[in-house]
Amino acid sequence: GNSVTQMEGPVTLSEEAFLTINCTYTATGYPSLFWYVQYPGEGLQLLLKATKADDKGSNKGFEATYRKETTSFHLEKGSVQVSDSAVYFCALSDPMDSSYKLIFGSGTRLLVRP
Amino acid sequence: EAQVTQNPRYLITVTGKKLTVTCSQNMNHEYMSWYRQDPGLGLRQIYYSMNVEVTDKGDVPEGYKVSRKEKRNFPLILESPSPNQTSLYFCASSLRSGGGTEAFFGQGTRLTVV
Repeated sequence: GNSVTQMEGPVTLSEEAFLTINCTYTATGYPSLFWYVQYPGEGLQLLLKATKADDKGSNKGFEATYRKETTSFHLEKGSVQVSDSAVYFCALSDPMDSSYKLIFGSGTRLLVRP
Repeated sequence: EAQVTQNPRYLITVTGKKLTVTCSQNMNHEYMSWYRQDPGLGLRQIYYSMNVEVTDKGDVPEGYKVSRKEKRNFPLILESPSPNQTSLYFCASSLRSGGGTEAFFGQGTRLTVV
């Protein structure tokens, strides 16, 4: 079945450091891929998405490229800020799945220190 | 403001006492769903609804019921809660079902069953 695997957290970085959070997926078809962010005490918000191979999603300085050959969608940011501290979820949606549900990874907590 | 509203935010209850978690969206979305979030497991879909009076089971539906009598509301019902239903619950809505569509999440309901 479909699944998403994310790197274990927590990830602790100093402000202005480079961020990479790894995400790989398993899917039978051609899924859409998402990164959602959950700030403390809040619900999930869409950070970026990509709907086909080689698409790059970007938002708020974050980027991720849909790599079909490596089944990956790694999240990157060149210079993190304290305000980026949150839990990040990689997710996929399979158009062949009649429930249209999102399948989430386990989440990666990011802590950015001043 | 476009939003998904869940109530209550926090709930502590006893085993077997029926409860309802409400969810309402003001974006005229067709598709709504419920997820539970557990440590190390990410979010898993409980139930979903494609439109009014159309609901179906997700991946973890045991012990839950839903209804969709109006487009904006999608309550989650626990007829006889048990401790293994202690979790963080999220309601989500999207304009339509299908890959690549952004899901909007409520702020979550933290349920503890003792």
